[in-house]
Amino acid sequence: DAKTTQPNSMESNEEEPVHLPCNHSTISGTDYIHWYRQLPSQGPEYVIHGLTSNVNNRMASLAIAEDRKSSTLILHRATLRDAAVYYCILISASGGSYIPTFGRGTSLIVHP
Amino acid sequence: DAGVIQSPRHEVTEMGQEVTLRCKPISGHDYLFWYRQTMMRGLELLIYFNNNVPIDDSGMPEDRFSAKMPNASFSTLKIQPSEPRDSAVYFCASSFRVTRQGGNEQFFGPGTRLTVL
Repeated sequence: DAKTTQPNSMESNEEEPVHLPCNHSTISGTDYIHWYRQLPSQGPEYVIHGLTSNVNNRMASLAIAEDRKSSTLILHRATLRDAAVYYCILISASGGSYIPTFGRGTSLIVHP
Repeated sequence: DAGVIQSPRHEVTEMGQEVTLRCKPISGHDYLFWYRQTMMRGLELLIYFNNNVPIDDSGMPEDRFSAKMPNASFSTLKIQPSEPRDSAVYFCASSFRVTRQGGNEQFFGPGTRLTVL
C-alpha cells in the first residue's frame, strides 16, 4: 500500500490560514487522497478528498501537486475547534486493496 | 440517521474475561470497519466487511479476537480471553461501496474505551 508522510505537529494562531502538508511519493494512478481529522475524544471525521484537481468544500481546500506526490490541506481561517489530529490517507478506487492506513497524522495546535 | 452507534461507550473488565463490543452501522452502508487506537500504535484497521462478509482480517492481532456481522445492521467484535494489552479505544466505521470517484467517506462511531485490568 502507498504510504503517506506528515509532520508530527503544527501550530497556528486563531483566524490565520493553516497549510498541512502530506507527502505520498509512491502514490498510484488509482489512489485517491483523503483527509480526515480527529477531535479530542471523538472518532475521526471526513474532511475532503481528491484525485488530481484541487478541491474545495465548506470545511477546507485540498491542493494536489501536479505530480501527485504531495498534497496540502488548507484551513482558510483556523478556529479553536480546528485543533485536532489530521490524517492524510490514500484509498484505491481500483477495486483492489481497500485498506486505509491512517498512520500518526499531524497534531494541529491552535492558539487563541 | 443517528450515525454509527457503538456500545458500550466504556468497558472495564478483568484479565481473562470475555469482552463483546457492538456496532450498528448507518443504514444502507455496505462496508463496515473495526479499528483500534492506542497511543503506541495509533489508529489500526483490524477487519472490514463488505455486504456482511469479512474481506480482510489481516489486522486482527491474534486468535483471541473475532468479529462477526450476522446482518447488515449489526456487528460484534469479541475478545476472549481479554488481556491488559488489549486496552484501547475501539472504533467502528461504515461507508458506501467504493465508487469510481473514490467517494468512500467513512463515518466513525464514538468508540468504545476498553480497559482490561
